[in-house]
Amino acid sequence: DVKVTQSSRYLVKRTGEKVFLECVQDMDHENMFWYRQDPGLGLRLIYFSYDVKMKEKGDIPEGYSVSREKKERFSLILESASTNQTSMYLCASSFTDTEAFFGQGTRLTVV
Amino acid sequence: QQQVKQSPQSLIVQKGGISIINCAYENTAFDYFPWYQQFPGKGPALLIAIRPDVSEKKEGRFTISFNKSAKQFSLHIMDSQPGDSATYFCAASKADSNYQLIWGAGTKLIIKP
Repeated sequence: DVKVTQSSRYLVKRTGEKVFLECVQDMDHENMFWYRQDPGLGLRLIYFSYDVKMKEKGDIPEGYSVSREKKERFSLILESASTNQTSMYLCASSFTDTEAFFGQGTRLTVV
Repeated sequence: QQQVKQSPQSLIVQKGGISIINCAYENTAFDYFPWYQQFPGKGPALLIAIRPDVSEKKEGRFTISFNKSAKQFSLHIMDSQPGDSATYFCAASKADSNYQLIWGAGTKLIIKP
């Protein structure tokens, strides 16, 4: 079974903190994605990566950065957490033109 | 042109009934249309997908109907069961964007016993 594992299910961070969300996949997928999910807004793409050390901005990259040093790992970084970044964060991976597999999500609360 | 519009936002169906969720798109270059199912506390999972060379695809109780000329596609759940209660997302993608998925806003489906 394909597995996409996110490092935390729940996180509570303070405003201004630097926050790291980690995602690891075990299927040698080229593509990895970070989304945030908010009620009524669906899934919004933050960043994606098609290869190691490669990254592309999605629809809402402001306030976020990413790192992909190894093929299996894709990290999302909140440079200075703010309350409007309180959300569910979902990582996904895929081969091109195939099913995207999602992690279980990280519910981040910024206080 | 990149949007996918999904309706309704929420839906309540009696057990045994047919659940229908609709999506519409503008970009005729889209050539892959998946539906994802998400249970509370879980990430979305692929339910069923279709390409525009067919008008319908059926997997068990789940059917995608695709209308290329109207740029619409829909998910039908026959004999809906309480276990189908979830949030459903439609999406679309195309080859020249590396099949990056464009998502609908989601439909929260509740099946009443």
